[in-house]
Amino acid sequence: ETGVTQSPTHLIKTRGQQVTLRCSSQSGHNTVSWYQQALGQGPQFIFQYYREEENGRGNFPPRFSGLQFPNYSSELNVNALELDDSALYLCASSLRSDPISPLHFGNGTRLTVT
Amino acid sequence: AQSVAQPEDQVNVAEGNPLTVKCTYSVSGNPYLFWYVQYPNRGLQFLLKYITGDNLVKGSYGFEAEFNKSQTSFHLKKPSALVSDSALYFCAVRAMEYGNKLVFGAGTILRVKS
Repeated sequence: ETGVTQSPTHLIKTRGQQVTLRCSSQSGHNTVSWYQQALGQGPQFIFQYYREEENGRGNFPPRFSGLQFPNYSSELNVNALELDDSALYLCASSLRSDPISPLHFGNGTRLTVT
Repeated sequence: AQSVAQPEDQVNVAEGNPLTVKCTYSVSGNPYLFWYVQYPNRGLQFLLKYITGDNLVKGSYGFEAEFNKSQTSFHLKKPSALVSDSALYFCAVRAMEYGNKLVFGAGTILRVKS
């Protein structure tokens, strides 16, 4: 069973730039969620994708966008980066038909915006 | 009110002693409750969950948690702490009023000293 993998592991960007983070879900999982974890805080829900469509969104501006592909992998795109976007970005996969099953997380991408 | 509260930023315990990491929740209806652990520079690992039934839930690595509906709490416990248990612990809740997304507490650092 392949777990959730994220790339890259670390990334440094400049304010105003754009970034794309990638996630491969655990085999058999059809739902992907993205979370932002700022330093010293708990993960905050960004959005969830199911069947290539956004299916729930947290309190994040439109410059945070995503995609899900037919193989259930996903991308998180952030435009016009701000210093406060510096955080660990976590991807988690799950099986939508089983809402009580736990999310399976990747190791995250550490984004630093300077 | 916060949906999930972890009142302690840090818990210190001696190796071999019992440990408790506290969590309270604030949702209407019946919540699904989870505990996750995060080691440095890693994603979140699932420990245990409460869905329904027995109030004492057993999970991975010897951890257990007690669901108390009257006190709206879901404290994480372990009878005998290990130094390797030192990590960041997150309580999380999933409920209909949050669109069934996973909402995390701010986290508690557990330090086990030998």
